[in-house]
Amino acid sequence: GQNIDQPTEMTATEGAIVQINCTYQTSGFNGLFWYQQHAGEAPTFLSYNVLDGLEEKGRFSSFLSRSKGYSYLLLKELQMKDSASYLCAVRDSNYQLIWGAGTKLIIKP
Amino acid sequence: DVKVTQSSRYLVKRTGEKVFLECVQDMDHENMFWYRQDPGLGLRLIYFSYDVKMKEKGDIPEGYSVSREKKERFSLILESASTNQTSMYLCASSFGGGETYEQYFGPGTRLTVT
Repeated sequence: GQNIDQPTEMTATEGAIVQINCTYQTSGFNGLFWYQQHAGEAPTFLSYNVLDGLEEKGRFSSFLSRSKGYSYLLLKELQMKDSASYLCAVRDSNYQLIWGAGTKLIIKP
Repeated sequence: DVKVTQSSRYLVKRTGEKVFLECVQDMDHENMFWYRQDPGLGLRLIYFSYDVKMKEKGDIPEGYSVSREKKERFSLILESASTNQTSMYLCASSFGGGETYEQYFGPGTRLTVT
């Protein structure tokens, strides 16, 4: 079966750094996406990785290791507005997205 | 800016009613998707469409149907609503072709079936 695992909830302090992990087992791999979803709102695209390595985009970075079936999203200089759920999704061999349940990130002052 | 709109933010229906959820996108995207989102579960794909009048079943199509008569509009139909269809419904769209494009989501419709 296909499976995406993420921690259910994480807590971090404003101004700090947090790493949200995602491990996956899917039938094939055609890229990994990270989305942010604030409570009651639509998910919005954050990053896309298809090759191994780190992709940096401002305060957010995303890392991929295809051999390990592993990715992480790194958020630096945390702000209160970063409190949200972070969704990991993998595109499988049929080009369909398989979604994790999301990680709820709580930022404390 | 890509805009995906959904007909209602909140909807309350009775068991057995036929329910229509509409989604419109304004970016000429080929692909459109309907998901449901439930607590503790990832987004689950109900149906998707790669072109007008085209539809493909996703992971959980039972109890649902779809219609895509125009490129910009993708409708989800609950033929006879049941309480286990109480959920958040999200519509999304993306460019098609061989490239891997991100999906753009609408604000969601929270449906309650009583």
